Amino acid sequence: DIVLTQTPLSLPVTLGQPASISCRSSQSLVYSDGNTYLNWLQQRPGQPPRLVIYRVSNRFSGVPDRFSGSGAGTDFTLKISRVEAEDVGIYYCVHNEQSVTFGGGTKVEIK
Amino acid sequence: EVHLVESGGGLVKPGGSLRLSCAASGFTFSNSWMTWVRQAPGKGLEWVGRIKIKSHGETTDYGAAVKGRFTISRDDSRDTLYLQMNRLETEDTAVYYCVTGVGYGDVDYWGLGTLVTVSS
Repeated sequence: DIVLTQTPLSLPVTLGQPASISCRSSQSLVYSDGNTYLNWLQQRPGQPPRLVIYRVSNRFSGVPDRFSGSGAGTDFTLKISRVEAEDVGIYYCVHNEQSVTFGGGTKVEIK
Repeated sequence: EVHLVESGGGLVKPGGSLRLSCAASGFTFSNSWMTWVRQAPGKGLEWVGRIKIKSHGETTDYGAAVKGRFTISRDDSRDTLYLQMNRLETEDTAVYYCVTGVGYGDVDYWGLGTLVTVSS
């Protein structure tokens, strides 16, 4: 089974500064069709998760361009170029293929 | 606009049963794989299972924690997804989310969730 490991667990950030979250997979996430089904979710306090990045690097509808995703194979990164107050929450990487696997989450908070 | 509205949550005793529903709108339900995800209080996200569309055999897959106890079904005539939960355990206490996506198996859209509490 695929295991997704996120680091750090907690990320205190100053408003306006960048933030970076890592997601490492126990095996390559490149599927037989050539796509890599690695996504990033944001869960604000008291709200359901919402998709921010799909298939490694594509911003979902309505997501600000300060969010970006990158990576390949087993190593992936979510970056926020300048953190705003509304970005506070828990971020999860998620792999959807034969089943769905979630990373443990990274809590982003304001210093 | 995609809308997913879960219902049916509540308090149930260990060993009991509950059926959750998810009413879908804003997309072609009959052509969408549907997924259930849960989140225990203060914990991360856990995949419950998924159902494919009719032309893909309406095949279901389940996470290890619920396999053999939970059953996912769908009614395309009502645009509704179901989760039948039997032999409930205290560890099943969680908010249950209904999820779908643009591509088969994608997790693009989430409902608000419904809370299931298993306690004596």
